[in-house]
Amino acid sequence: GDSVTQMEGPVTLSEEAFLTINCTYTATGYPSLFWYVQYPGEGLQLLLKATKADDKGSNKGFEATYRKETTSFHLEKGSVQVSDSAVYFCALNGISGGSNYKLTFGKGTLLTVNP
Amino acid sequence: GAVVSQHPSWVICKSGTSVKIECRSLDFQATTMFWYRQFPKQSLMLMATSNEGSKATYEQGVEKDKFLINHASLTLSTLTVTSAHPEDSSFYICSARRTALDYSGANVLTFGAGSRLTVL
Repeated sequence: GDSVTQMEGPVTLSEEAFLTINCTYTATGYPSLFWYVQYPGEGLQLLLKATKADDKGSNKGFEATYRKETTSFHLEKGSVQVSDSAVYFCALNGISGGSNYKLTFGKGTLLTVNP
Repeated sequence: GAVVSQHPSWVICKSGTSVKIECRSLDFQATTMFWYRQFPKQSLMLMATSNEGSKATYEQGVEKDKFLINHASLTLSTLTVTSAHPEDSSFYICSARRTALDYSGANVLTFGAGSRLTVL
């Protein structure tokens, strides 16, 4: 079945450092890929998504590129801020069409950014 | 913005008792809600899809008689863990599908903050 493997945390960075959180997936067909973020005490929120190979999702300075050849969707940000401290989840939906209803999640990566 | 409220946010119960977790959409109607479970250091796993006015659809391996889901109104879905045991201790998260669209034009999923269940 479908699965998502993401970088084990926790990740601790200084403000303005470069961030990469690795995510690889296993799925049949052509899944849509997502990054969700969960801030302390809040629910998961969609950060960005990509629905087909070579698409780049971007939002709030974060970006991730759908790489079918390496089955990866790594999350990057050029300069992190303290406010980016959160848990980040990589996810996929194995149903073609971009629907984000039935998601397979990774374990989540805790990011802490220090001033 | 849209909010999904889960209650309780944490609960401790004795083995053998039943526990009910509520998932409410506070300012929108949700015909479809989803229930997830996350064990420590594990992935969020979809347990079931809850549709208002009809029976929930359970994922493979999830016991429907153990995890009772009721979606009686457009703003409330409940998950009842019946005869809870220590192995049911987990973090339970619900999400609600909205008609509103996200930045890419897809329907938004709004998540609750989760409910941590500890069964002694």
